[in-house]
Amino acid sequence: QVQLVQSGAEVKKPGSSVKVSCKASGGTFTNFAISWVRRAPGQGLEWMGGIIPIFGRAYYAQKFQGRVTITADEATSTAYMELNSLRSEETAVYYCARNSLVAPSWFDPWGQGTLVTVSS
Amino acid sequence: DIVMTQSPEFLAVPLGERATINCKSSQSVLYSSSNKNPLAWYQQKPGQPPKLLIYWASTRASGVPDRFSGSGSETDFTLTINSLQAEDVAVYYCQQYYSSPPMYTFGQGTKLEIK
Repeated sequence: QVQLVQSGAEVKKPGSSVKVSCKASGGTFTNFAISWVRRAPGQGLEWMGGIIPIFGRAYYAQKFQGRVTITADEATSTAYMELNSLRSEETAVYYCARNSLVAPSWFDPWGQGTLVTVSS
Repeated sequence: DIVMTQSPEFLAVPLGERATINCKSSQSVLYSSSNKNPLAWYQQKPGQPPKLLIYWASTRASGVPDRFSGSGSETDFTLTINSLQAEDVAVYYCQQYYSSPPMYTFGQGTKLEIK
């Protein structure tokens, strides 16, 4: 049973960057893809991008192109999401979730979420 | 991008009754070769990550009670919750996974409460 465990809460200044990690256990990291999804207060779920670790290939939602970088370390079964030029309205809970490796798919399971607070 | 629109945004249903949530996509999400609809439903309770309920529009995920069911095809989809229980209070989201390369989109969410 794959489990995804994320890093802890972060508080950042506007204009700075944040890097959130997502460690997989209980499964072979190279057999699936990882996506990142966020939920801002009072808002819905928003897909940011994903990565296929075995290929090291990342893909991003157009909204985040150039500002988000998703990477993966196969040796530690850990994926990372780095978001730059943070704005206060990007205060949100950031989730990682597993996707299928071979084709677009649903998300299951999800990490527990990481609260990122952007405030001066 | 494919836009997913859910209705209603808020829904209050008495215990034991049926709740129905709709999801409409801005274009058809049907794999004609397999006749499958790449559409999933999630349940999110406060302080928890989303939980997968349904995939391929109508297939229940492992461990999901059979009072949850999904239906629909192409552009119009429905999540039905029969015999509403108190623990079903949550926000529900639909999600399409039709696009390749992946450009996943979610509906805006439906908040379900007990009347």
